[in-house]
Order: sequence, then structure tokens, then C-alpha cells
Amino acid sequence: KAGVTQTPRYLIKTRGQQVTLSCSPISGHRSVSWYQQTPGQGLQFLFEYFSETQRNKGNFPGRFSGRQFSNSRSEMNVSTLELGDSALYLCASKTGTPNTEAFFGQGTRLTVV
Amino acid sequence: QKEVEQNSGPLSVPEGAIASLNCTYSDRGSQSFFWYRQYSGKSPELIMFIYSNGDKEDGRFTAQLNKASQYVSLLIRDSQPSDSATYLCAVNRGSSNTGKLIFGQGTTLQVKP
Repeated sequence: KAGVTQTPRYLIKTRGQQVTLSCSPISGHRSVSWYQQTPGQGLQFLFEYFSETQRNKGNFPGRFSGRQFSNSRSEMNVSTLELGDSALYLCASKTGTPNTEAFFGQGTRLTVV
Repeated sequence: QKEVEQNSGPLSVPEGAIASLNCTYSDRGSQSFFWYRQYSGKSPELIMFIYSNGDKEDGRFTAQLNKASQYVSLLIRDSQPSDSATYLCAVNRGSSNTGKLIFGQGTTLQVKP
């Protein structure tokens, strides 16, 4: 059974640009959540999508957005990149039923220069 | 007060010893709890998942949950140098079927040969 797949693995972008990251969940999982991990702030929840609808949202500015497609694949977009957006971006998938595990992808390392 | 608190460590134990990692959480309504292991530069790997009070064992790992006292712990028996990593405690925020996890800052474990 394939795990959670994130692409690309690494990205270097310039301040002011925008970026789109992709996450394919485990087959059968309908919930995809996105997290930002930095040395200073740790792992922080960005948002969750379930059945193509945003179900939860963290405390991040509107420059961070996402969407989910009918096959449960999800994309995250960051517009007008800032140096502080440099981080490891992780997605996690769950089935969406109560009391089930959440599995992470390998992450996308974003560097903003 | 942070929602999920862990001692950042490092926790140093000799090879073969029991490592005990602790985590407290503030939201009494939290229903499911996760322990992830993260090696430097890698994504979090699910080690244990628990949602009922008491102990849950999986190989060398035992998770203990006490909802009345709002803590969850992870015991690693027969610790190996390969167990050296950061251990992240996460709590499912809100309904247990959602993907919103709140993470502690992590405890660094060092297992010395």
C-alpha cells in the first residue's frame, strides 16, 4: 500500500513569488492536513481538507491557501513568498473516521531567498 | 500555557534501558493521541496511537493515556542507538475524526551505546 506522496521534495523560490505544493494521500483516505515545520515554531497546523471542503484552519495569513480534488489529492499554495516561509511543509492523511491514525508524507523543503 | 507540552530534553539513556517520554495537554475534550518519531531532516513517523485510557503496547513501545490527569506517555524498552531521535506528541484537536493535530515541541532522545 503506497504511503503519502508529496511533490516536489525540494524547492527554492525568490521572495514575492508563489509556490504550489502537492500531496497525494493514502488510497481511501479522504482527509488531508497541511503543516509547517520550522526550528523555532515546531509543527504548526495550516488547514485540513475533507471531501474537497476545508474543514479546519490554523492561524496563518491568507497567503496560505489550499484545495482538494475529487480524488482526495490536495494542493497548497503560498503567494507572495516571504523569507519566513522557508520551512518543511508536511501533509498528513487520515481516513476521516473517528479515532484513526494520521500518516505523514516525506515533506517539501521550501527555501525562500 | 501551551496546548501540548513536552520536556525538550535531551533525554539521555544507556543502550538497553527504558526511555520514558511524557506529554501533557490542556484541552480536556481531546480524544486521540499520537506519538511520532522524527529523525533529523526527515518527516514524522507514527510510532503509537491511543485513544482509550490505559496502556497500549506495540513491540518495544508502550503508550499510556490518562485522560483524567491529561497526560500521555511513551515508554521505549530495550532502547537502541537507532531510537535516538526527536519524539513528538500530538493531540487531535476537536472531533476525533478530524485531521487537526496539535503538536508539542518534541523531546530529543539520545541512546548511548
